[in-house]
Amino acid sequence: AQKVTQAQTEISVVEKEDVTLDCVYETRDTTYYLFWYKQPPSGELVFLIRRNSFDEQNEISGRYSWNFQKSTSSFNFTITASQVVDSAVYFCALSEEGDSSYKLIFGSGTRLLVRP
Amino acid sequence: DTGVSQNPRHKITKRGQNVTFRCDPISEHNRLYWYRQTLGQGPEFLTYFQNEAQLEKSRLLSDRFSAERPKGSFSTLEIQRTEQGDSAMYLCASSLGQPYNEQFFGPGTRLTVL
Repeated sequence: AQKVTQAQTEISVVEKEDVTLDCVYETRDTTYYLFWYKQPPSGELVFLIRRNSFDEQNEISGRYSWNFQKSTSSFNFTITASQVVDSAVYFCALSEEGDSSYKLIFGSGTRLLVRP
Repeated sequence: DTGVSQNPRHKITKRGQNVTFRCDPISEHNRLYWYRQTLGQGPEFLTYFQNEAQLEKSRLLSDRFSAERPKGSFSTLEIQRTEQGDSAMYLCASSLGQPYNEQFFGPGTRLTVL
């Protein structure tokens, strides 16, 4: 069965520290899609990135980077030089090609607190 | 360019009452999803529309829940005979193009059942 696990419930760092949020997924599909969303205190989920299962190339966008490793079924998210504005709950999610709705299966989220 | 909007943002009701939420997706987005999020958890899928057709419903969607998307535009989610366990944030999302494209979420409707 499909599943997304975010083992870190809460992480607290001091501003300018680097932080990595872990995501481990389970799926039987060979083609699937992985996502990261940010949920700030305002509550609205904000899309950050989508990665296809056949593209293991890591991606960097400004201070954000993502490490996708099929061998360990992980899709980790690193924030470099964290800022107070990065404080939010971050969700990893999975959708599968075998699911006609392509619904998102979310992990339970990691709450990141960046202290000044 | 407007995003997904949801109304109302907050709803407080007494147990046993009916409530209805509305979602307006991004214009021309043909796929629309409803999710439910409880405190400390990730969103859970409730139902999916492609245009006006409701194509999938989660087992979470009991017979007290009904959703519609007339004319493939806005959508409504109704909960009849609310129970305290229905208290949650109800999120709507829409997407366009390839089915695996990112879903854009609205701000949600927070339901509190007393």
